[in-house]
Amino acid sequence: TQLLEQSPQFLSIQEGENLTVYCNSSSVFSSLQWYRQEPGEGPVLLVTVVTGGEVKKLKRLTFQFGDARKDSSLHITAAQPGDTGLYLCAGPNNAGNNRKLIWGLGTSLAVNP
Amino acid sequence: GAVVSQHPSRVICKSGTSVKIECRSLDFQATTMFWYRQFPKQSLMLMATSNEGSKATYEQGVEKDKFLINHASLTLSTLTVTSAHPEDSSFYICSILARDWREETQYFGPGTRLLVL
Repeated sequence: TQLLEQSPQFLSIQEGENLTVYCNSSSVFSSLQWYRQEPGEGPVLLVTVVTGGEVKKLKRLTFQFGDARKDSSLHITAAQPGDTGLYLCAGPNNAGNNRKLIWGLGTSLAVNP
Repeated sequence: GAVVSQHPSRVICKSGTSVKIECRSLDFQATTMFWYRQFPKQSLMLMATSNEGSKATYEQGVEKDKFLINHASLTLSTLTVTSAHPEDSSFYICSILARDWREETQYFGPGTRLLVL
């Protein structure tokens, strides 16, 4: 069974601090996606990582895909209150052709001004 | 990315009534849509996969007679919560499956907050 474990589950930091969120699995994923969801809204795709060892940057956000494609991390530099939200990682289900996503439980981030 | 809308954004209903939620793909023809529910501060839980022109595929533990899904066109899927009860109160989110030349991506609607009294 494919599982994605995210850590930490909750994170509360001060504006300007750096942080890293992890998404780990014992299974290999063909790709992993990171979403951010704000309260009362649907998730918004931030990035998809496909190649083992890949690093992608989105302004102050840096995403990395593990060499073995079993894990990924999201690093935020100089966090701002606008970064507050639920960060979710997700990867395609390898079983069958149903295109479902396996979801992590999420990391709830609060950036305090 | 694709733009997805949901209607209504929030609804309050009495126990025993039925509620219909619409999911529209505004700029993409979606043969596959997904319906999720989400409880506060938790991750998304897939309820069913909606396929245009055919029956939806429900996840284990989701009652197909209670959560009716209709995907009659490439731009519209509906979820009807029949005989709603307070335990059905949740945040319901739909997504569409869009493919570019390289990969498939799910794009999400803004969600519908359902409160059953």
